[in-house]
Amino acid sequence: QKEVEQNSGPLSVPEGAIASLNCTYSDRGSQSFFWYRQYSGKSPELIMFIYSNGDKEDGRFTAQLNKASQYVSLLIRDSQPSDSATYLCAVNGAGTALIFGKGTTLSVSS
Amino acid sequence: DVKVTQSSRYLVKRTGEKVFLECVQDMDHENMFWYRQDPGLGLRLIYFSYDVKMKEKGDIPEGYSVSREKKERFSLILESASTNQTSMYLCASSFSGARSYNSPLHFGNGTRLTVT
Repeated sequence: QKEVEQNSGPLSVPEGAIASLNCTYSDRGSQSFFWYRQYSGKSPELIMFIYSNGDKEDGRFTAQLNKASQYVSLLIRDSQPSDSATYLCAVNGAGTALIFGKGTTLSVSS
Repeated sequence: DVKVTQSSRYLVKRTGEKVFLECVQDMDHENMFWYRQDPGLGLRLIYFSYDVKMKEKGDIPEGYSVSREKKERFSLILESASTNQTSMYLCASSFSGARSYNSPLHFGNGTRLTVT
C-alpha cells in the first residue's frame, strides 16, 4: 500500500516566522508531489507542485524535494494568520490518481 | 480558471435511500475523481475515471458506484445509503496528457452528506 505520511500537528508559529511542513512517501516510483491548502469547511486548493529534486519557490512558498530520502517539504516564509489552515501533501499514485497525506494543521498567531 | 461544480453543498438522506452526487467540470479534463474526507482519515479515493464510460476503483469503492456518460460529468451513486457513508464528498478533475503525472487535481466545493 502506497503511503504518504504527514505530522498531523497542530504546528503553531508566530506571525512573521517560517513554517516548515514535512511529508514522506513510500513509493520510490513517485514522480510528482503536490501541496494543497485547505481551510476549514472548504475544499483543497493547489499551492504548488514539484517534480525535480531541489527547491521550487513561488512567492512566500518554497517546496523542497529529496527523492533519495523520499521526503518533500513546504516552507512558508513570513507566515500570516491567513495561512492558518490544513496543508495536504499529495503524491501521484496508480495511474493518474493522487494519494494524499492526512494533512498538517498550521496555526499562525498574531 | 477550471471550474468543478458539485450539484449540492449539503444533503441529508435516510438510510437505505439511493443517493446521486453529481459533478461537472468545464475544462475538458479527461480524468475525474471522487474522494471522501473524514476527520482523522484524510482524503480517500473512492473511484476515478480517465475517459467516458471508463472507471477504476480507488481505495474504498465498497458501497459506491459511478457513472461517466459524458466527458464533463461524473456521478457518484450510493445504492443504499448507510450511516457510515456520512462524510464530505469531493469531486476533482485533471488533465491527461503526455506529462499528466504533473497534472494537479482541481476540486469542487464538496458535498456534505448526512445519512440518518
